[in-house]
Amino acid sequence: EVQLVESGGGLVQPGGSLRLSCAASGFTFSSYWMHWVRQVPGKGLVWVSRINSDGSGTTYADSVKGRFTISRDNAKNTLYLQMNSLRAEDTAVYYCARDRYNSGDDLPIDYWGQGTLVTVSS
Amino acid sequence: DIQMTQSPSTLSASVGDRVTITCRASQSIRSWLAWYQQKPGKAPKLLIYKASSLESGVPSRFSGSGSGTEFTLTISSLQPDDSATYYCQQYNSYLWTFGQGTKVEIK
Repeated sequence: EVQLVESGGGLVQPGGSLRLSCAASGFTFSSYWMHWVRQVPGKGLVWVSRINSDGSGTTYADSVKGRFTISRDNAKNTLYLQMNSLRAEDTAVYYCARDRYNSGDDLPIDYWGQGTLVTVSS
Repeated sequence: DIQMTQSPSTLSASVGDRVTITCRASQSIRSWLAWYQQKPGKAPKLLIYKASSLESGVPSRFSGSGSGTEFTLTISSLQPDDSATYYCQQYNSYLWTFGQGTKVEIK
């Protein structure tokens, strides 16, 4: 069974840093591109970042470029999101998600984690 | 970035009604559009991909259509379990984007 479990969320002050993790199981993690998507409570979904299967290629939404870094450790089956210079508007639930489109399929994301809440506040 | 605009933002309908949600893209995305259903406190669930392909396990009352810039999600006979927020998402461009969501309520 495919499972994605996020961790690392919490309360952080503006300007601070946080690293999110997403532990993957039930599939060959190293074969799939992965994404981070966030959602302000009560608001819509916003795509944040993607990483290719071997970690050599990354893409970011303009709103986080230069502040967030996506990475992965295929030996540990874990995806990361390093978030620096955090702002109040980064407060959201952060989901990790598995990409199928870049594996040659027609669907974009098929599995999501349960999400981890990041709150940026003084 | 490609902007995705959904309408309506909220709709209220009765069990058994036919419901249609529209999603418009700011430029052509060919057929690279997905629809997700999200219930409170839960992760999104994929319903439709490539504009009209039904994800495995999704009830056949859900269907999608469209191409280019205009797309629709139709629920042929609304059920109580369909109360949720629905999002479209384009994956044609390098930067993926979602619509703002449509909340479906049961009268």
